[in-house]
Amino acid sequence: GAVVSQHPSRVICKSGTSVKIECRSLDFQATTMFWYRQFPKQSLMLMATSNEGSKATYEQGVEKDKFLINHASLTLSTLTVTSAHPEDSSFYICSAFRTGDTEAFFGQGTRLTVV
Amino acid sequence: LAKTTQPISMDSYEGQEVNITCSHNNIATNDYITWYQQFPSQGPRFIIQGYKTKVTNEVASLFIPADRKSSTLSLPRVSLSDTAVYYCLVEAAGGTSYGKLTFGQGTILTVHP
Repeated sequence: GAVVSQHPSRVICKSGTSVKIECRSLDFQATTMFWYRQFPKQSLMLMATSNEGSKATYEQGVEKDKFLINHASLTLSTLTVTSAHPEDSSFYICSAFRTGDTEAFFGQGTRLTVV
Repeated sequence: LAKTTQPISMDSYEGQEVNITCSHNNIATNDYITWYQQFPSQGPRFIIQGYKTKVTNEVASLFIPADRKSSTLSLPRVSLSDTAVYYCLVEAAGGTSYGKLTFGQGTILTVHP
């Protein structure tokens, strides 16, 4: 199956700093990628849709100035958590669809801990 | 209104068949039913997808009745490594919401020795 890779798999940062998470489609091109957040013992919640070459679209309640998304190429989307706070600590997961497929391919996730 | 409803948890033993049923009363004509598996600290992984009747692949079967208001994921002869959260999703195959997945609470399956 198609491969979506995230980096880093886990990161610890200090409160007030920014953290960048990368999501790459390794063997296919993805004009659209999706970012999810998952808190402990909860389900995945869609945060935003990353569109190659244009602005991301954010779900209601997600601060676009805090969660900056850049999709500069057909294989890479980045999520930057700006001025991170402990409440931003979560598991961040990206996904993408390969053309012609109806199932999503997910990255392995990034565990963010803000101290 | 939740798109899907599943049991919160299920327990089974190694070698048994496990059936997880999902209700999706408001499924639309162009919606597919997809099941994903998630292990702790990993992203979800696709298991199986169907539109109607029965679908089988190397890891599972998916049974969908004629009215499509529910579906059942069947895992044959589970092992300890099948312990995970299983999500049932109902999503359109196209349109403006394509790719935006709505996850319910999922079913925590625990397989015992």
